[in-house]
Amino acid sequence: GDQVEQSPSALSLHEGTDSALRCNFTTTMRSVQWFRQNSRGSLISLFYLASGTKENGRLKSAFDSKERRYSTLHIRDAQLEDSGTYFCAAEAGNNNAPRFGAGTKLTVKP
Amino acid sequence: EAAVTQSPRNKVTVTGGNVTLSCRQTNSHNYMYWYRQDTGHGLRLIHYSYGAGNLQIGDVPDGYKATRTTQEDFFLLLELASPSQTSLYFCASSDGGSNERLFFGHGTKLSVL
Repeated sequence: GDQVEQSPSALSLHEGTDSALRCNFTTTMRSVQWFRQNSRGSLISLFYLASGTKENGRLKSAFDSKERRYSTLHIRDAQLEDSGTYFCAAEAGNNNAPRFGAGTKLTVKP
Repeated sequence: EAAVTQSPRNKVTVTGGNVTLSCRQTNSHNYMYWYRQDTGHGLRLIHYSYGAGNLQIGDVPDGYKATRTTQEDFFLLLELASPSQTSLYFCASSDGGSNERLFFGHGTKLSVL
């Protein structure tokens, strides 16, 4: 069954607002990574986390270090160029491959 | 930055056709992956490999074969293409072990008519 559940499936924001995307995992995961897919279809790596939090500009991601069953991506002060589809992918370890959530389509409006 | 190159970028074939998608990575990564992306499903794992000669079955393997001929090269084969295999295909690589960070190619858009 699906191991990675991503929410919301779609989100519309106005410029300057903040948002949070979430991925829940049906099993304990060893690592999580976040991507943004742009309008040309390219997948842009945002974060790779084995634990804790990472921040890059207006983006911040966290990986639940206790249960390792969820991760969040926070977008602060959303800009038009943040629009796109965001995916998380998580890997359970033991030579398992990363599995993806279904994505969150983010639209930032003026 | 890791380099993963997919070819072709676009491919159109007919039902029953034979298609090979190619992927090459130049960063000495051990692991390589093939995913397909369809609306509403995100990326789904078809096959992956730990190294040359190794093949692991993913979550949606039916209708696909794969072969890892060298550490650099991973091929996805559709021997009898069907319209349900129309999709955007991504290849990725990772170092493996305790570092599964994925590096993606630009994708191959396949249309099966």
